[in-house]
Amino acid sequence: AQSVTQLDSQVPVFEEAPVELRCNYSSSVSVYLFWYVQYPNQGLQLLLKYLSGSTLVKGINGFEAEFNKSQTSFHLRKPSVHISDTAEYFCAVSDHSGGYQKVTFGTGTKLQVIP
Amino acid sequence: DAGVIQSPRHEVTEMGQEVTLRCKPISGHDYLFWYRQTMMRGLELLIYFNNNVPIDDSGMPEDRFSAKMPNASFSTLKIQPSEPRDSAVYFCASSLWVGASGELFFGEGSRLTVL
Repeated sequence: AQSVTQLDSQVPVFEEAPVELRCNYSSSVSVYLFWYVQYPNQGLQLLLKYLSGSTLVKGINGFEAEFNKSQTSFHLRKPSVHISDTAEYFCAVSDHSGGYQKVTFGTGTKLQVIP
Repeated sequence: DAGVIQSPRHEVTEMGQEVTLRCKPISGHDYLFWYRQTMMRGLELLIYFNNNVPIDDSGMPEDRFSAKMPNASFSTLKIQPSEPRDSAVYFCASSLWVGASGELFFGEGSRLTVL
């Protein structure tokens, strides 16, 4: 079984400061990793994903994440946040065992950007 | 493409009433997921379909919940009878199978309040 742990439920950060949102996963098989963002009263949308290759993945809105297999982590970073980044961020893992796609989400981290 | 379309966006009902939530996935997508989001439990996978066939319904809370996908362009999630603890935002998402690396496309959700 796969699982995702997001260590911080809320992260306040000042505007233009850097931020890191932490994500750890566990799985017995190879996985794909994702970060999704949810703005208020909206559905989730994809920020970035890691499938294979380079462990540093760049996404939309200046976000990036680094896959670390030895630490089973996939932390999300942004060097300088904007007010518009205030949202909830979800880490997710997908495995393809049995030929079906099953995606498991973490509990989410609320990023609050302070002016 | 119009994206994943869910209806109704908001539903307020009384305990004991039947509730039906509807979803139209993105045309051509072969996976459809129903998620429930609450403050207490976060984002929970209820059930998912592949090519209109239910694959995993282990997340459906109890027999009061049922989901169907009669064709590739329509799915329903039904709660009968509804209870106050069913109050949540229900999301439908669809995906195109690409070896489990496919992005999930979410609808805007149906906010259910059971009084």
